[in-house]
Amino acid sequence: ETGVTQSPTHLIKTRGQQVTLRCSSQSGHNTVSWYQQALGQGPQFIFQYYREEENGRGNFPPRFSGLQFPNYSSELNVNALELDDSALYLCASSLLGDLTGELFFGEGSRLTVL
Amino acid sequence: AQSVTQLDSHVSVSEGTPVLLRCNYSSSYSPSLFWYVQHPNKGLQLLLKYTSAATLVKGINGFEAEFKKSETSFHLTKPSAHMSDAAEYFCVVRTSGTYKYIFGTGTRLKVLA
Repeated sequence: ETGVTQSPTHLIKTRGQQVTLRCSSQSGHNTVSWYQQALGQGPQFIFQYYREEENGRGNFPPRFSGLQFPNYSSELNVNALELDDSALYLCASSLLGDLTGELFFGEGSRLTVL
Repeated sequence: AQSVTQLDSHVSVSEGTPVLLRCNYSSSYSPSLFWYVQHPNKGLQLLLKYTSAATLVKGINGFEAEFKKSETSFHLTKPSAHMSDAAEYFCVVRTSGTYKYIFGTGTRLKVLA
């Protein structure tokens, strides 16, 4: 069973730039969620995708956007980067309809904005 | 609105002694509750989950948690700490039928030799 994989693992950007983070879901999972984890904090929900559409969003501005592809992989895009966007970005896959609701996380992409 | 509160930001125990990590939740409906562990520079791994079955939930690596509705608590315990347990632990709540998971602020567990 293939786990959740994310790329890149680390990257550095400057303020105002744009970034794309990628995620491959665990085999058999049809839902992907993205979380932002600032240093010393718990993960914060950004949004969730199911069947290539966003079906839930947290308190993040529109410059945070995403895509889900037919193979259930996903991208997180952040435009006009700000210093506060520096964080670990976690992707989690799950199976919609699974009553246990377990999320399976990747190891994250650590973004530093200078 | 649902939320979780982890009552201790840091906990230190000696190897071989019991571990107690405290979590209180707030939810209008029957919640699903989880404990996740995060080792340095790693992703989050599920320790255990409560989904309205047995109130005492056993997880991996000897951890367990008890759901107490009257106290709105879901504390994580382990009888004997091991050095490899040193990590960040997160209590998580998901209200039934929602897509959103609410994480606590985390408890950093330190295990002393």
